[in-house]
Formats: sequence, structure tokens, C-alpha cells
Amino acid sequence: DGGITQSPKYLFRKEGQNVTLSCEQNLNHDAMYWYRQDPGQGLRLIYYSQIVNDFQKGDIAEGYSVSREKKESFPLTVTSAQKNPTAFYLCASSIGARAYNEQFFGPGTRLTVL
Amino acid sequence: AQSVTQLDSQVPVFEEAPVELRCNYSSSVSVYLFWYVQYPNQGLQLLLKYLSGSTLVKGINGFEAEFNKSQTSFHLRKPSVHISDTAEYFCAVSGSNYQLIWGAGTKLIIKP
Repeated sequence: DGGITQSPKYLFRKEGQNVTLSCEQNLNHDAMYWYRQDPGQGLRLIYYSQIVNDFQKGDIAEGYSVSREKKESFPLTVTSAQKNPTAFYLCASSIGARAYNEQFFGPGTRLTVL
Repeated sequence: AQSVTQLDSQVPVFEEAPVELRCNYSSSVSVYLFWYVQYPNQGLQLLLKYLSGSTLVKGINGFEAEFNKSQTSFHLRKPSVHISDTAEYFCAVSGSNYQLIWGAGTKLIIKP
């Protein structure tokens, strides 16, 4: 089955630790995205990548980092510099990076900082 | 800057009743408009989208939406809801730099 997988589903982290969230897609999509979702708010874009070895900051990139070494993988690292990292993180992909392209979402990772 | 407003954070409705979820946007240029649905503890799934052409757009699960350029609205409707429609619904509009601008979401609560 084609789709997007995110792991782990739940993640607990101590303050001051970096943590990496995994996102893999087998849809052969060029573009990939990371969003953060907080209760009562819409999705906020952290980073996006239009093609392998290229990525751009979204609206809330501070305290996060990404890499895009392979087409199918777009891991997100939440660093200790992120002041309030507890949130639901969603990864998405689309066939291209144009605004009219449908985005396909993974099931999400819920990160809790203890 | 472009923005999306979903006027209701929650909409309670009885099963088999009609429902309308409201979405307004601000933009001075042509836009693409989307409705996504999120079931509890899951990712989002596209319900429908408006790119061009007919202003009445039909989507999955019996939902439809109407693009109204003069009102800058893209309200989502369903004539008869089912308990399985319980979810959060997000409106989004195309922004600059290939990004989508998202509304805050509306939780649809189906009462038996």
C-alpha cells in the first residue's frame, strides 16, 4: 500500500534533549512537509522540501532542523532550542510543491516534553 | 497577508440533520481552496478542493462546498450527517511560496 508512515506514534522527551521524528513516503512524491498542530490552532508549517537535497523554512522553523538526503525520507529534529515542543507533528507529501497539489498526510507523532 | 477564518470552533448537530461549516478567507489574488478532515488521532485527508471552473464542488462522503468570490467564502455542507462524520474539519487556502494557509479547524459533533 502506498502512503506515508511516521514513527514513533508517541514520543516522550526530557527537557534539553534533541529528538528526531521519522517520516517516510512510498508515493514517489517530490515535495514533503512538516507541520505542527496545537489544540485550537490550524496547522503551522515548520519546513518543506521541494526536491531532494533542498528544503526551506516555514513559518515556525526556529528550534527545528531537517534533512532530505533521500526522496522518500524527510526526518525532523526537534532541538533543545525549541522552547515549547510539546505538540502533534504531521508529515505530508505531494507530487509537486505547487499550491494546487493535494497533500497526503501521515498519522502523526505526538511529542511530549517531560 | 492572507488568512483563513473558520467562524465556529465547534458545531453540534443531530444525526441525519444538515450541516454547514463556514470558512472565509482574505486574499487579493486568485486562490485555490481546500477542505481537509481529521479523524481523532489521525492525519488529515482531503475532502474536496476548488481550483477553477464550477463554483460548486463535490467531495467524498457526501460533502460539497461552494466558492463565493464576492463573499470570499468557501462553506462546507452536507445534507444529512452520520455519526461517522464526527471529526475536525480544516479549511485551507493557497498562499505564497507554495504554502497552504490553514484555518483553526471546526469540530463537528454529532448528537444521536
